[in-house]
Amino acid sequence: GQQVMQIPQYQHVQEGEDFTTYCNSSTTLSNIQWYKQRPGGHPVFLIQLVKSGEVKKQKRLTFQFGEAKKNSSLHITATQTTDVGTYFCAVTNFGNEKLTFGTGTRLTIIP
Amino acid sequence: EAQVTQNPRYLITVTGKKLTVTCSQNMNHEYMSWYRQDPGLGLRQIYYSMNVEVTDKGDVPEGYKVSRKEKRNFPLILESPSPNQTSLYFCASRPYLSGSGPQHFGDGTRLSIL
Repeated sequence: GQQVMQIPQYQHVQEGEDFTTYCNSSTTLSNIQWYKQRPGGHPVFLIQLVKSGEVKKQKRLTFQFGEAKKNSSLHITATQTTDVGTYFCAVTNFGNEKLTFGTGTRLTIIP
Repeated sequence: EAQVTQNPRYLITVTGKKLTVTCSQNMNHEYMSWYRQDPGLGLRQIYYSMNVEVTDKGDVPEGYKVSRKEKRNFPLILESPSPNQTSLYFCASRPYLSGSGPQHFGDGTRLSIL
């Protein structure tokens, strides 16, 4: 089945530092989505990337889709306490309706 | 308000006692799915449905059943629950857009099977 590696599993950063999580697939992807789950909450959709090399920004968050459409990253600039949570990538292969989630990166912020 | 509603939110039960977790969405979405979330394993898809009367297995379907008789409802059935099905379960829905589109998640159901 689809293999999705997400690294790191955990990240502790000082408030104000940057944070990056990476998602890597063994196969070429149709698209990739990113979700955020706050502690005790449910996953909330952040963004979807479809095109090779695509870069999208949401305020302090920058999302990139690799040229080969096999990897993606989420970068947060100048983290704030509101960024605490687990960030998941979720991938779809061509011709397949299954959405496969990565194992997630849990971000904690040291005030 | 657009939402996905799961019930119950919490359930403690015993091995072998059949249970159903209900899921309902009010967004007229074609696609619905069930996930389980376990520490270190992320979210794993159990079953999904692309429309009424159309269901398919996800990555971990063993021990679960689903049905999609109406567009808005997608119940998850555990015919004979076992302790290894203790987990946090999420239902989700999205419009059918051929493999894409944001999923809307319910608040989750925490099941403990003793």
